[in-house]
Formats: sequence, C-alpha cells, structure tokens
Amino acid sequence: NAGVTQTPKFQVLKTGQSMTLQCAQDMNHNSMYWYRQDPGMGLRLIYYSASEGTTDKGEVPNGYNVSRLNKREFSLRLESAAPSQTSVYFCASSDKLAGGLSVSTDTQYFGPGTRLTVL
Amino acid sequence: AQSVTQLDSQVPVFEEAPVELRCNYSSSVSVYLFWYVQYPNQGLQLLLKYLSGSTLVKGINGFEAEFNKSQTSFHLRKPSVHISDTAEYFCAVLLIKAAGNKLTFGGGTRVLVKP
Repeated sequence: NAGVTQTPKFQVLKTGQSMTLQCAQDMNHNSMYWYRQDPGMGLRLIYYSASEGTTDKGEVPNGYNVSRLNKREFSLRLESAAPSQTSVYFCASSDKLAGGLSVSTDTQYFGPGTRLTVL
Repeated sequence: AQSVTQLDSQVPVFEEAPVELRCNYSSSVSVYLFWYVQYPNQGLQLLLKYLSGSTLVKGINGFEAEFNKSQTSFHLRKPSVHISDTAEYFCAVLLIKAAGNKLTFGGGTRVLVKP
C-alpha cells in the first residue's frame, strides 16, 4: 500500500498562473481532505469530501476549487495563484463516513505534502 | 466553535530528559482529541488519540497523553526523549458533523532534542 500520494512534491508558480495538485489514496477510504500548513498556524482545512460525489468548504476555501474525481482521487485547483497561497499543502484521507455514529475509525492519514511557492 | 491552543511554539530538550507538550482546547460538544507528529519534510503521522474511556492514552514511540476535562487539556508527555523525537507535534480536536467530520489543529510545537 502506498497510502496517500501527492504530486507534485514541489512547484513554483508566477502570480496569476493556474495549477492542479493531485492526491490519491489506495486505502479505500471514504473521506478526503485538503489542508494548507503555514508557520505557527498549524494545518487549516481548505476543502473536504466526506464521500465520493460530495465536496464541502473548510476553513479557508477562497481561491481554491476541488474535484472528487472518484473514490481514490481528490484534486485541488488554484485558478489564479497569488503569493498568499505560498504554503505546504497536505492531502489526507480517513475511513469515516459522514455522520457521527462512531469515531473509532476516524484517523486521518496524510500524504507527504506539496511545497508551493507563488512569486 | 472549536479551537486548540498549543502554548509552546518551541521546546528545546536534552536527550534522555522528559518532555511535556501542552495543549488546551475549547469545545461545546463531545471531545475527541488527537496528537500528530511531523518529522522533517514529511507528512503527519498519528501518535495517539482520545475517544472515550481511560483518560490516560498511550501512543507510539513511548508517548502518552492525559485528557483532563476540568482543565480542558490534553498534554503530551514522554519520560525520556531520543534525538529521533526531533519533530513538530500537533494537537487536534475532532468535530462530528452530519456533513462530515473535521479536525481543528493547534499551531504546533517544535521539539528540538539536543545531545
């Protein structure tokens, strides 16, 4: 099992350029998440997908779009990159369905991250 | 609304000394708490989690944490650290919602273990 994989590992963009960050998981998980990590701020949720076919905004969704292509893949798109989007982006997945009957399986597994610089 | 505060942004500690990383949370609903570790240039890995039951939770690599409801804390401890414990540690609280469960993270504590 590769777990959660992300591509690319590094990317440099100019202001206004667009790009898509790819994420895939091979654990047959239902839920997938995109976070950004900035110094001193921990991880902040950008978007998440509780199950295939659904997506929802997190804490900091502005400037981003997502697509849950299938159960395995969840991509994050920056349509017009800005320097404020310079960050490390992490994808995660968990086996939790929407709703709260049980949290025992709600461990999130993280990818290795994509380091994005916007000039 | 939920929030997580990690009181120390950096903790230097000597090898084989004990370490405690402090985490306080605020939540108006049932609390589910996690500690994650991030080694340099890697993603996050789960150290331990509190869902219910015993308030003392043991995790991987000799770490443990104690849930204290009255003090709204979930401090992480290790009695004797190794150089390999140098990493950033994140406390998180899970919010259960019908639309999807979400983790809220603290700002992180960077642990530097010195020989």
